[in-house]
Amino acid sequence: GAGVSQSPSNKVTEKGKDVELRCDPISGHTALYWYRQSLGQGLEFLIYFQGNSAPDKSGLPSDRFSAERTGGSVSTLTIQRTQQEDSAVYLCASSLDRGDYGYTFGSGTRLTVV
Amino acid sequence: GENVEQHPSTLSVQEGDSAVIKCTYSDSASNYFPWYKQELGKGPQLIIDIRSNVGEKKDQRIAVTLNKTAKHFSLHITETQPEDSAVYFCAASGGSSGDKLTFGTGTRLAVRP
Repeated sequence: GAGVSQSPSNKVTEKGKDVELRCDPISGHTALYWYRQSLGQGLEFLIYFQGNSAPDKSGLPSDRFSAERTGGSVSTLTIQRTQQEDSAVYLCASSLDRGDYGYTFGSGTRLTVV
Repeated sequence: GENVEQHPSTLSVQEGDSAVIKCTYSDSASNYFPWYKQELGKGPQLIIDIRSNVGEKKDQRIAVTLNKTAKHFSLHITETQPEDSAVYFCAASGGSSGDKLTFGTGTRLAVRP
């Protein structure tokens, strides 16, 4: 596609429920990243996929968070047993190869846990 | 890992004036330094980047400078316009953190008409 597409754009969920966030990267981009942006804060790295390599999960805040990337394209970020502190904007980005070609971000999914 | 500090956190300038945002990084092996602009409700957009083999790069009204010795890099916006109002983030990669970008905490720029 023309850009990085994320869905849903907004998600309100009850505490304790599981949620899935989807990211469609730019076609041909081999690198895919998930970041989290809390209200008025910077971007916190979560996870990084590069081609067929094992993902870099070093930023995932707890074992309630997981992500997969199927077929080297679409990625899903799953948060289990959501907590109020999970409320944030979840941003996905892709890049042509490595990060030093620049990221293209999606518009994000705003997650609110009530 | 890499740590990026960004200043100021907020900046207000008169239309037509210049704006400067500064960042420092901790990992001397970092070699890629992009700047992103984030408008309300949107994802960050890459506006300019610089690699460690150059000291300055310009693109119309924006420029970035890099001082590798001091581990500083700065964004300069000249002749600011109201549409420049946004949150700006600096970032760094290529050192111990590998290909993933480490971001600064952002600068909210307001351009007064």
